[in-house]
Order: sequence, then structure tokens, then C-alpha cells
Amino acid sequence: AQKVTQAQTEISVVEKEDVTLDCVYETRDTTYYLFWYKQPPSGELVFLIRRNSFDEQNEISGRYSWNFQKSTSSFNFTITASQVVDSAVYFCALSEIGGKLIFGQGTELSVKP
Amino acid sequence: SQTIHQWPATLVQPVGSPLSLECTVEGTSNPNLYWYRQAAGRGLQLLFYSVGIGQISSEVPQNLSASRPQDRQFILSSKKLLLSDSGFYLCASEGLTDTQYFGPGTRLTVL
Repeated sequence: AQKVTQAQTEISVVEKEDVTLDCVYETRDTTYYLFWYKQPPSGELVFLIRRNSFDEQNEISGRYSWNFQKSTSSFNFTITASQVVDSAVYFCALSEIGGKLIFGQGTELSVKP
Repeated sequence: SQTIHQWPATLVQPVGSPLSLECTVEGTSNPNLYWYRQAAGRGLQLLFYSVGIGQISSEVPQNLSASRPQDRQFILSSKKLLLSDSGFYLCASEGLTDTQYFGPGTRLTVL
């Protein structure tokens, strides 16, 4: 069965600190997608990134970076120089190709000024 | 790019009353559509998904039903609401990119 674990329920940092959100997944499939979504206080889930299981290249987008390691079944998300606007709940998710999305329980990030 | 609309944004309903939540999608054709519920405590629960008009799959037996009368319209309904139906309901659309995009959500409180 597929499973996504986000062990960090809540993280609190001070603005400008770097922060890493952990995501560990389980799947028997060799082909799958991994995702990160952001849920700000308004509630809407905002898509951040999708990674194909065949592409282990790390990705950087501005202050955001993602580290995908198949050997440890992890897809961690780092925010560099965090800002108050980064405060949100972040979800990691997994899907088979064409399959349903399996979400982790989310990590609530609080960035204090 | 896709745009997903949901209404109403918030709703307060008494126990036993009916429910109709609507989701419409712009910017894509033949999407897979999904209804999720997020209760307090954060976890997202998949309720229904649809791969086409009139095709509905239910993930969790419960007091709710879904319908897809048009390609880009997805409706969540109930004949009689329960207290446990309270939550935040999210509609998602998945087009050709195998990525689900979410609407703004409906916050439902059943009293």
C-alpha cells in the first residue's frame, strides 16, 4: 500500500532562517509522482512541484528547493531565508501514474518576524 | 491553465438539511474531478472522483453523494446533513499533466 509520512507536525522558525520539511513515502510501484502543496490560512491548496520517480535531479525555484532521494524514499522540501508569508501547512503527496493522490498529514510551518 | 471555482465559500446549515456544493472548471477539457474533505486536524480525505460525465466513484461510504452532469461541473450533495459532515470541502481537477489543481474550497459548518 502507498503511504506518505510527514513526521514534523509543526515547525516554528524566525524569519530568515532556513527550514527543511521532511517527507518519506512508501510504494511498491516503480513509476510514480511526488508532489508538494502549500495551504495558506485562506485554505486553498496551491501546487508547488511535481517530481517523476525517474527524475532524481534536485530542483530549485527561488527560495524553494527539493531533494528527491529514491534510496531513502524521501522527498524533502527546503525553504531558504524563510519569510512570514511562508507560514502555511505544507503537504507532501504521492500518486501512481494515473492514480489517486495520497497525502501526508501535513506540516504546519510558522515563520515569526 | 486551469481555474477551479467553488461555491458557496462558506455555509452554515442545520442538521438534517440538504446540501449542494458546486465545482466548475475552466481551461481544460475532460478532466478527472475530485472531491476531498478536510476535517479539523488537517488530513485530506478523498470522497469521490469522476473520470467523465455521469461516472462517479465513491471512496468512503457515507452520507454524501456526487454527480457530474457536465464535463466541467462536479456537484457534492446530501439529503440530510449530519454534524460529522462539517469540514472544509475541496474540489480538484486533473487534466493532461497528471497534476491535481484545487479550488478555493467551501467551509461547511453543520449545527
